[in-house]
Amino acid sequence: DIVLTQSPDFQSVTPKEKVTVTCRASQSIGSSLHWYQQKPDQSPKLLIKYASQSISGVPSRFSGSGSGTDFTLTINSLEAEDAAAYYCHQSSSLPHTFGQGTKLEIK
Amino acid sequence: EEQLLESGGGLVQPGGSLRLSCAASGFTFSSYAMTWVRQAPGKGLEWVSAISAGGGTTFYADSVKGRFTISRDNSKNTLNLQMNSLRVEDTALYYCARAYGSSWTPFENWGQGTLVTVSS
Repeated sequence: DIVLTQSPDFQSVTPKEKVTVTCRASQSIGSSLHWYQQKPDQSPKLLIKYASQSISGVPSRFSGSGSGTDFTLTINSLEAEDAAAYYCHQSSSLPHTFGQGTKLEIK
Repeated sequence: EEQLLESGGGLVQPGGSLRLSCAASGFTFSSYAMTWVRQAPGKGLEWVSAISAGGGTTFYADSVKGRFTISRDNSKNTLNLQMNSLRVEDTALYYCARAYGSSWTPFENWGQGTLVTVSS
């Protein structure tokens, strides 16, 4: 199985700060990497598909980059509503796997 | 408005069975692959099973293979997950999710989940 390792596990950040979350795959997955946001007591929401493709309705401050084994989710000018857990997900091969999650706390 | 509504969760003893359902509305259900993803309390996301738009192709995580069966009824816009030989480690919130476009992934729309608790 492909293991996705996210870093950091937790980050406390201030509004307007730029935040970077990384996801490293245990083997090359091309661009088959997606990002989700899960706010407390809510279901996950798709933020970015195929490493860098934007999703309609998602604020432009969210962006993704990377390919192969190393990927990044960037949140520019963080807002209070961005407090959530963020997960990466690979669909290169079965079983599909998720990263362990990164929890962002707003100071 | 597109909606996915899971049901069927509950408390069951180890070794027991449950049947989860996901009622879809607001989109052409028969055109999309569907997936079950679960989340143990306080933990991350785990892919469980997927089924093609027509229902002819299915996939399972090794942790549930041989115990869970995914199915769909496109005439009733319903996705199902039959869960047998349940284990304590199957305790989780189970989400159904719709794939993006004509592919298997990513998961564009999610239900609110139904909680399965396996305990004696």
